Amino acid sequence: GAVVSQHPSRVICKSGTSVKIECRSLDFQATTMFWYRQFPKQSLMLMATSNEGSKATYEQGVEKDKFLINHASLTLSTLTVASAHPEDSSFYICSAPPGGRMTNEKLFFGSGTQLSVL
Amino acid sequence: ELKVEQNPLFLSMQEGKNYTIYCNYSTTSDRLYWYRQDPGKSLESLFVLLSNGAVKQEGRLMASLDTKARLSTLHITAAVHDLSATYFCAVDRNSGNTPLVFGKGTRLSVIA
Repeated sequence: GAVVSQHPSRVICKSGTSVKIECRSLDFQATTMFWYRQFPKQSLMLMATSNEGSKATYEQGVEKDKFLINHASLTLSTLTVASAHPEDSSFYICSAPPGGRMTNEKLFFGSGTQLSVL
Repeated sequence: ELKVEQNPLFLSMQEGKNYTIYCNYSTTSDRLYWYRQDPGKSLESLFVLLSNGAVKQEGRLMASLDTKARLSTLHITAAVHDLSATYFCAVDRNSGNTPLVFGKGTRLSVIA
C-alpha cells in the first residue's frame, strides 16, 4: 500500500484562491520531503525541499512567497499555493526518502494533486 | 549541474515489436531509477539499478546500467498495448536525502 499519502487528489478553484496540499509519510518519519511540479506532457521538476523544523529551500525560479511550505512534524509537509492563477495549474507530487524503511527505493511518491485554476 | 537526457521522447510501436529507450546522464552516479507514469497518475517504480552492470527484468521490460558510459537502457520485448505509458529515468543528485533528477520522459504508444 501507499507509504506517502497526498491530499487532495484534485482541486478546481477560482483565480485568487489559496490551495493547500498535504503530504503525509505513513509509518515512517520524513525529516525531508521533496515537492515536484509537472506541467502537461512534461517531466517532473523539483520545486522545493521541505525540511522539518526549518525553512524550505526553493529551486531557482520558484517563488517562495507563492508556494508556501510548512513541514511542522516528522510526518507532514504542506504546500500552499497562495493566490493561485491559471499558470499555476499543474500536477503537484510530493515525495519522501524512505527513512528507516528497508528498501532500495530512493524516494516514495505521493499520488499527486491535479490543480486546475480557472 | 546534473542533466538527464532520454531518447526517444515519443515512441509509437506495433504490438509484438522490440525497442530500447536510452537514458544518458551527465555526472557520476551509481544509482538510476526507472518509473512508469499513466495519464493523471503518479509514478510507479519499475527498476532500481544500484551498480555498474546491473541488469533487471520484469515481464517484457529489462533495464540495465553502465555507469562508465553514464547510460541506462530500458528494453521492451514483444510490446503489448498495456505497456502504453510514459517512462521516466531518474538519477540521484547525491547520496543521502537528496532529490532525484528526472529525464524528460518517453511517451510510449503501443498500437495493434
